[in-house]
Amino acid sequence: DSGVTQTPKHLITATGQRVTLRCSPRSGDLSVYWYQQSLDQGLQFLIQYYNGEERAKGNILERFSAQQFPDLHSELNLSSLELGDSALYFCASSTQRLAGLREQFFGPGTRLTVL
Amino acid sequence: GENVEQHPSTLSVQEGDSAVIKCTYSDSASNYFPWYKQELGKGPQLIIDIRSNVGEKKDQRIAVTLNKTAKHFSLHITETQPEDSAVYFCAARFGNEKLTFGTGTRLTIIP
Repeated sequence: DSGVTQTPKHLITATGQRVTLRCSPRSGDLSVYWYQQSLDQGLQFLIQYYNGEERAKGNILERFSAQQFPDLHSELNLSSLELGDSALYFCASSTQRLAGLREQFFGPGTRLTVL
Repeated sequence: GENVEQHPSTLSVQEGDSAVIKCTYSDSASNYFPWYKQELGKGPQLIIDIRSNVGEKKDQRIAVTLNKTAKHFSLHITETQPEDSAVYFCAARFGNEKLTFGTGTRLTIIP
């Protein structure tokens, strides 16, 4: 158990809908990262937050957004869902903003299925 | 940006034998190289990492080697056991930039 929690574990929805994925980092970790894992593209970095502020952006679509709250939990919002958004979404956390110096711990993921 | 290639995509090894997974990276400035193990239904778990100032690192049956000149690094698992069956990902990062992952290797240990 990495100490990172994600809810829900599974999510099934229809195209055009909007969903929110939630992540709670390990106790004491200030950085939260979101990744998308699909069969054909592996693990893709989406976005990072550090202590409530956006720190880095990866291949995140404009239909997707995220935020980190004062209690450090984070939410990833996916809107206008398309079939191709079906994937595993992982959250990871690390201790410092300079995450190159610290490893990332991954949560168990949320499996999103868009029908 | 950084590009990481990982080979092979699948690997079957007899129990007790060794397994080797190789990755190459494109950004010569990358200085941190973690390896993750992902079991079915779980998130990736860090199993070993190496920084660019080190050529080799071992942790029991697992070792990682880094060749900065050739820009490649490898994961070595010795005396493989059934519980080593999983998908393994390599990754590379420069400083505090994002991790770039390889495409994964599905390792199957044959009893």
